[in-house]
Amino acid sequence: NAGVTQTPKFQVLKTGQSMTLQCAQDMNHNSMYWYRQDPGMGLRLIYYSASEGTTDKGEVPNGYNVSRLNKREFSLRLESAAPSQTSVYFCASRISLGDSGYTFGSGTRLTVV
Amino acid sequence: RKEVEQDPGPFNVPEGATVAFNCTYSNSASQSFFWYRQDCRKEPKLLMSVYSSGNEDGRFTAQLNRASQYISLLIRDSKLSDSATYLCVVVPDYGNNRLAFGKGNQVVVIP
Repeated sequence: NAGVTQTPKFQVLKTGQSMTLQCAQDMNHNSMYWYRQDPGMGLRLIYYSASEGTTDKGEVPNGYNVSRLNKREFSLRLESAAPSQTSVYFCASRISLGDSGYTFGSGTRLTVV
Repeated sequence: RKEVEQDPGPFNVPEGATVAFNCTYSNSASQSFFWYRQDCRKEPKLLMSVYSSGNEDGRFTAQLNRASQYISLLIRDSKLSDSATYLCVVVPDYGNNRLAFGKGNQVVVIP
């Protein structure tokens, strides 16, 4: 029972490079989320997908795009990485009922130089 | 006003002591509440849900005060392994799929 799996775990990019962060869950959850976490800022929502086929912007969407490929997979793309996108990225999923919390992946540590 | 507010601390707690902290939320229609634990450089993990009647799980007790719009977490007989950041999480209202996170209360248990 893997839960939420994120790849890669670590990545170093040069400014202007692009990359895609992958996330997959095997819990049959409807909703999936991408967060970034920076020191002193807490978790900030980038994008989320309430259900397969839908995506919505969160608090800090600029510089990112997402794809809900199917019910299991939700990817985050950085088209042209900037140093300000250096952060820890967490994917999470949830059943979408009012009384349920999130399950998080183990995170991707991204450094943009 | 932020959706969820927490005093970041750190809360330095002698081993074996009790520590308690609160989290306030701004949306009175919020329905569900959780405490998550996050260890350094790890993902947040669900510690416990918070029910209207309050709930207890071993040394951990969570309370909800709807009138004053806060939830609390109390840790009794603190262990060194309790050192972590405790995140308050609120579901703002039904139908909203986005949970709101506080920045966390950092607890450091001192030998």
